[in-house]
Amino acid sequence: GENVEQHPSTLSVQEGDSAVIKCTYSDSASNYFPWYKQELGKGPQLIIDIRSNVGEKKDQRIAVTLNKTAKHFSLHITETQPEDSAVYFCAATTGNQFYFGTGTSLTVIP
Amino acid sequence: DTAVSQTPKYLVTQMGNDKSIKCEQNLGHDTMYWYKQDSKKFLKIMFSYNNKELIINETVPNRFSPKSPDKAHLNLHINSLELGDSAVYFCASSVLPPGGAQYFGPGTRLTVL
Repeated sequence: GENVEQHPSTLSVQEGDSAVIKCTYSDSASNYFPWYKQELGKGPQLIIDIRSNVGEKKDQRIAVTLNKTAKHFSLHITETQPEDSAVYFCAATTGNQFYFGTGTSLTVIP
Repeated sequence: DTAVSQTPKYLVTQMGNDKSIKCEQNLGHDTMYWYKQDSKKFLKIMFSYNNKELIINETVPNRFSPKSPDKAHLNLHINSLELGDSAVYFCASSVLPPGGAQYFGPGTRLTVL
């Protein structure tokens, strides 16, 4: 089956700086890669996703890049704000089943 | 309107009891899931249902039994609760795979005493 690794497990940045979270996957058949943000006491919320036929996607301060050859994808958050503090999960899927990374706890220091 | 809802939000119970968690989605999705999130935040899939039929059943104890009365509902029944069952349980739904985003409910925090 698929194996998704996520790094770092914790990340602290100063407000206004950028944050980068990286994930690798093992199954070359994986074709869809969503990112989720989980705030304390809430369920994971989809923030951005990318399909295997695209190398990069951006939505305001959030961007995701995908390198299919190297089997890795990354989440980039620019101009971080305190409300970006949360746990972020990457995931990969070939179709039926989602495989989640182990999560990154991001803290934005005001 | 809440897209994926779960009840109850908190559930505190004694070891050995039987309890149920209910999930409903109003997104018109075909597939629903149950996940368990442990204290380290790791999300582990338990079950997946597609149009009321079980399609994924990970290695969870048979004390856990999902039931899908219709496409919009997937309930989780747990028999003979154990201390190790304490966790947050999330319901999610998606369009028919492949490649559909999953949408999660707010979670049910289960505490077994």
